[in-house]
Amino acid sequence: QEQLVESGGGVVQPGRSLRLSCAASGFTFSSFGMHWVRHLPGKGLEWVAAISYDGNHKYYGDSVEGRITVSRDNSKNTLYLQMNSLRPEDTAVFYCAKDTQRNANSFHYMDVWGKGTTVTVSS
Amino acid sequence: QMTQSPSSLSASVGDSVTITCRASQGITNWLAWYQQRPGIAPKLLIFAVSSLQSGVPSRFTGSASGTDFTLTISSLQPEDSATYFCQQTHNFPITFGQGTRLEIE
Repeated sequence: QEQLVESGGGVVQPGRSLRLSCAASGFTFSSFGMHWVRHLPGKGLEWVAAISYDGNHKYYGDSVEGRITVSRDNSKNTLYLQMNSLRPEDTAVFYCAKDTQRNANSFHYMDVWGKGTTVTVSS
Repeated sequence: QMTQSPSSLSASVGDSVTITCRASQGITNWLAWYQQRPGIAPKLLIFAVSSLQSGVPSRFTGSASGTDFTLTISSLQPEDSATYFCQQTHNFPITFGQGTRLEIE
């Protein structure tokens, strides 16, 4: 079945960097746009980034733009999130999610989610 | 921006509840609802305002009136205890409502 598995989370000091990965299986990864969404502790969901099926179009949330880069390797069925200059307020559970749109540079809904990876930014 | 209400509510098994999201601008029908149980990834319930995701019980229904969007859960079951989020995908940045925590008594 369709599955996403995140990895790469951990405890990191403020100002440092971290790269998250999301391994996809059970569907044609190269045909679908992908998202990163985070769940901030005690708060709600925040959309972080999206990347088109071919990697040519990328979009970022206001709170992370300039510090985060989303990328993908379709040959490895893997999505990435490079996070730099991390701040304590970036502490969250990060989810990757599959978009429902196939082969399009448009994004709609997220129908498959991973179980998440926890990022804690603390000195 | 999506303004969701109420932030929490409590109901009994068999009851019906309604959760509302108000968009700060027109988003046509680019509106979805998600359910998130503690420690578990969000689950897509409804997309395009009122379309039921495959496998989701028909107890979940969505509707809209202008920029007000509603999720109704009827015949509440114990497993409906969760937090519910609306989401707009009309434009970037994609935004979620603040969430509604539903407790089943």
